[in-house]
Amino acid sequence: EAEVAQSPRYKITEKSQAVAFWCDPISGHATLYWYRQILGQGPELLVQFQDESVVDDSQLPKDRFSAERLKGVDSTLKIQPAELGDSAMYLCASSPRTSESYNEQFFGPGTRLTVL
Amino acid sequence: DAKTTQPTSMDCAEGRAANLPCNHSTISGNEYVYWYRQIHSQGPQYIIHGLKNNETNEMASLIITEDRKSSTLILPHATLRDTAVYYCIVITYGRDKIIFGKGTRLHILP
Repeated sequence: EAEVAQSPRYKITEKSQAVAFWCDPISGHATLYWYRQILGQGPELLVQFQDESVVDDSQLPKDRFSAERLKGVDSTLKIQPAELGDSAMYLCASSPRTSESYNEQFFGPGTRLTVL
Repeated sequence: DAKTTQPTSMDCAEGRAANLPCNHSTISGNEYVYWYRQIHSQGPQYIIHGLKNNETNEMASLIITEDRKSSTLILPHATLRDTAVYYCIVITYGRDKIIFGKGTRLHILP
């Protein structure tokens, strides 16, 4: 069964350093999402792509976070500089483009970031 | 999107039916009820969704009250692998955005 791939699974970094996460969605899925999940809370949407275009980045802290999906396939989320409060799980999800009113999101295993 | 209210945690004995309630009293006519779950150290997983009729699939059943102000997710024969956080979410027809709350932490007891 096809799955969303993410790497690395775990990342430890020091504050003020740069960090990057990678996501490979299920083949053919047009929509890609990045979420941040703080311990004990539900995931929070950071950015949504439709193919290579950003359709929602209203919750992305743009002073330090950036995301790209250059060829409309895989995606990278970057944080520079990392802060202590960025410690969280970063989840990637993808969904197909169909005629349905809603398309199920398929989540990857996430990247656990610890900022020291 | 309408807000949902769920109990913080619940226990259920293995082999019994787990009934997870959700209140969505401000739901509007074009909003669906969705359930996802998140097993520890994994990403969320879609379970089921419905508009006003009861729904059943291989994972669970969804019972929505006639006034649509609340719903119940039923896991008919809970196993230890069903231990997870369950999220009840209301999503507007035609939109993809999911707003997760804190969900219900379900513990299946051996």
